[in-house]
Amino acid sequence: RKEVEQDPGPFNVPEGATVAFNCTYSNSASQSFFWYRQDCRKEPKLLMSVYSSGNEDGRFTAQLNRASQYISLLIRDSKLSDSATYLCVVNTPSGTYKYIFGTGTRLKVLA
Amino acid sequence: NAGVMQNPRHLVRRRGQEARLRCSPMKGHSHVYWYRQLPEEGLKFMVYLQKENIIDESGMPKERFSAEFPKEGPSILRIQQVVRGDSAAYFCASSPGRTLSDTQYFGPGTRLTVL
Repeated sequence: RKEVEQDPGPFNVPEGATVAFNCTYSNSASQSFFWYRQDCRKEPKLLMSVYSSGNEDGRFTAQLNRASQYISLLIRDSKLSDSATYLCVVNTPSGTYKYIFGTGTRLKVLA
Repeated sequence: NAGVMQNPRHLVRRRGQEARLRCSPMKGHSHVYWYRQLPEEGLKFMVYLQKENIIDESGMPKERFSAEFPKEGPSILRIQQVVRGDSAAYFCASSPGRTLSDTQYFGPGTRLTVL
């Protein structure tokens, strides 16, 4: 089983749609969780950290369910510029700070 | 405040040559991480360094790969005797390293092509 699993997609949605991505992680001792965005052939950029209480940043909402070991990202009112690959990232619990990446979920927002 | 810098951005090597990839962390960051992204795959951790110390190299291939982060100057990822399978994007990230939840900021990457 992969340490971090994501549906690779692609998700093709029309502009204005709401889309949700899920991610599961295998190590129950993981402590920090993030969503990064990666545009084609570019570096990952932090979208948001994910907290147990859930957090929202404009059209983006992230949730963490520790009991079920999954993380979600909700994008409301999709824009063309949201087209990218969304990477679920888990920080290891071993204290070495390294990131474990999911393979990413590809989103394409259509006009 | 300049972000993480990597050079070169593109590097072409023939099989058997050496590749040297450089990474300068963000100002004030003392922790550097190297990740590799093979075509159509996710990023994989390679090595985590602090100044003059390798903290975790569990993701580094056992042979041909080495990394350093000297007291002065950038971090360097060195690949000796490159093979075609080394062709990938190599990303460097840095963080302040104060806590486990510190965000890592990524550089633009070096795309290595081995002919």
